[in-house]
Amino acid sequence: AQTVTQSQPEMSVQEAETVTLSCTYDTSENNYYLFWYKQPPSRQMILVIRQEAYKQQNATENRFSVNFQKAAKSFSLKISDSQLGDTAMYFCAFMKTSGTYKYIFGTGTRLKVLA
Amino acid sequence: GAVVSQHPSRVICKSGTSVKIECRSLDFQATTMFWYRQFPKQSLMLMATSNEGSKATYEQGVEKDKFLINHASLTLSTLTVTSAHPEDSSFYICSARNFRRSADTQYFGPGTRLTVL
Repeated sequence: AQTVTQSQPEMSVQEAETVTLSCTYDTSENNYYLFWYKQPPSRQMILVIRQEAYKQQNATENRFSVNFQKAAKSFSLKISDSQLGDTAMYFCAFMKTSGTYKYIFGTGTRLKVLA
Repeated sequence: GAVVSQHPSRVICKSGTSVKIECRSLDFQATTMFWYRQFPKQSLMLMATSNEGSKATYEQGVEKDKFLINHASLTLSTLTVTSAHPEDSSFYICSARNFRRSADTQYFGPGTRLTVL
C-alpha cells in the first residue's frame, strides 16, 4: 500500500523569502503522479503543481517548483518570493496510474507567510 | 475551466434526518467523482469513488448504507447522509475527473459543511 508523509505540521516564512515543504512517499509502483494542493482558509482545494514520475525534469509553475527525487521517493515543494496569499494548508498527494486513480494524501503542512 | 460546484455550502440538520449534497462539474464531463471527508485541521479522507452509471466503491470502514452515493449523469453526483447523527458533522468535499481531459488531475468542489444537532 502507498503512503505519503509530510513531516512538517507547521512552517512559517517571511514575505518575499523562499520556503521548502517536504514530502516523502512509499510505493512499489514505477509509474505514478505526484501533486501539491493548496487549501487556503476558504477550504477550496487548488492544484499547485503536478509531476509525472517518468519525467526526470522537475515541474515548475511560476514561483512554485518541485525537487523530485524518485530513488529517494521524495517530492518537496519550493515556494519562491513568498506572498501573504500563499498562507494555507499544503497537501502532497500520490496517485498511481493504474486502478482507481484515487489520491493518497499526506497529513498536510500549515504554512504561514509573515508580513 | 474545470469548475466543480457543491450545493449546499452549509447545512444544519436535526439528528435522524437525511441530508443530500450535490456535486456538479460545470464545464466538463466527469467520468469519475470522489467524495472526501475532512475533520478540522486534518487531511482529506476518501470515502468513496463513483463512476458514472455504476455503483460507488466505498473505502474500508465507510458505511455504504449510511452514505448513499449516486452518480446518475456525467455532470452530477450526490451524497446522501442518511439518519444523520452529530458524529457525522464534518466538511464534505467532492472532486471530479475526466479521463479524456486530464487522466490524472482531480478538480475539487468548494466543500459542504454539515452540522448535525
